[in-house]
Amino acid sequence: QLQLRESGSGLVKPSQTLSLTCAVSDASMNSPDFSWNWIRQPPGKGPECVGFIYWSGGTYYNPSLQSRVTIALDRSKNQFSLHVTSVIAADTAVYYCARGRGVWFGVMDVWGQGTPVTVSS
Amino acid sequence: EIVVTQSPATLSVSPGERASLSCRASQSVGINLAWYQQQPGQTPRLLIYDASSRATGTPARFSGSGSGTEFTLTISSLQSGDFAVYYCQQYKTGQMYTFGQGTKVEIK
Repeated sequence: QLQLRESGSGLVKPSQTLSLTCAVSDASMNSPDFSWNWIRQPPGKGPECVGFIYWSGGTYYNPSLQSRVTIALDRSKNQFSLHVTSVIAADTAVYYCARGRGVWFGVMDVWGQGTPVTVSS
Repeated sequence: EIVVTQSPATLSVSPGERASLSCRASQSVGINLAWYQQQPGQTPRLLIYDASSRATGTPARFSGSGSGTEFTLTISSLQSGDFAVYYCQQYKTGQMYTFGQGTKVEIK
């Protein structure tokens, strides 16, 4: 059974860079059937797409975050990463990694446990 | 961006009763809609995809319906583990996927 596990900085100062990694437990990353997603959920709100990366390495970023976000694959380590530069208080959220499948790879069938990130000085 | 609106924000239901949750998209998404359940402090869990297909492990008391802009999640007979927040999500081809703000199902 596929498992995803996030790791990374839980407290980030304003204007600095948020960095997270998601470890993938099986060989799904080698399949063209899936996308690899970062989704965040601010306190008390619904989830929000941050962006995702395909098997091919192609990426899609939320237009509201596009200038600050980078998602990358590392097949040698079976993981993918998220970097958000110039963070502000509004970036405070629980960050999830998730696997997407199906139409437009939009069905999130497996999620990580989530990691809380707080932006504060 | 396609806006997804859920109603009501909170639904109070007694155990054993039926619950109907609504989800509306700001433009047609066909059947590209999913439902997720989130328990307090837990990760969202996929329940329904493609508007009406149950995900692996989803009990038969959960059913999804609708197409275009109007969708419904029905829980036929609420059990204790069903009291949670439910989110719908659209994933129309070529558009960024977006989630609703959630419906909290609480014990009446």
